[in-house]
Amino acid sequence: GDSVTQMEGPVTLSEEAFLTINCTYTATGYPSLFWYVQYPGEGLQLLLKATKADDKGSNKGFEATYRKETTSFHLEKGSVQVSDSAVYFCAPFFYNQGGKLIFGQGTELSVKP
Amino acid sequence: NAGVTQTPKFQVLKTGQSMTLQCAQDMNHNSMYWYRQDPGMGLRLIYYSASEGTTDKGEVPNGYNVSRLNKREFSLRLESAAPSQTSVYFCASRLERGTGTTEAFFGQGTRLTVV
Repeated sequence: GDSVTQMEGPVTLSEEAFLTINCTYTATGYPSLFWYVQYPGEGLQLLLKATKADDKGSNKGFEATYRKETTSFHLEKGSVQVSDSAVYFCAPFFYNQGGKLIFGQGTELSVKP
Repeated sequence: NAGVTQTPKFQVLKTGQSMTLQCAQDMNHNSMYWYRQDPGMGLRLIYYSASEGTTDKGEVPNGYNVSRLNKREFSLRLESAAPSQTSVYFCASRLERGTGTTEAFFGQGTRLTVV
């Protein structure tokens, strides 16, 4: 069935390091792809999205490209900041599942000064 | 612009007690969701409602019931709380236009402890 696999954490980086968080999915169709971020003590909020193959979503210096051939949507940032410390969730939306919205297991990122 | 409002924010229950978590959204969204978040387990879907008048089970529905009271409100009920239901609960809503391209909006969460 349709599913999502996300890189396990926690990930600890120094400020200005390069970040990659891997996300792959299995699907019978072509889902819309989302990354959400959860800051400490808060609910999730949208970080970026891509709704069709080869689209690139970007926001706050983060980017992710919809790769249909590898069924992936990896999150990247060239230079992380302490304020990027949060939990990141990959969430493909499988339209043929009647509106069900599922999330990857989340990757906790900690950025040290 | 309240968005998604959850009540209460914190709750302590004794094993066997019942309670209802409330969720309301003011964005005229048709789809609403309940999740639980546990350390190391990510966000797991309990129940969802794709439209007013419909509800469906998610990944972990056992021990819970839901009511889509109207388009705005979606409540989660624990009939007989167990320590395994200690968790942080999140409600979310989204506007489904038939394309699957819209994002979800989340409440601030309810931290529930069952002793």
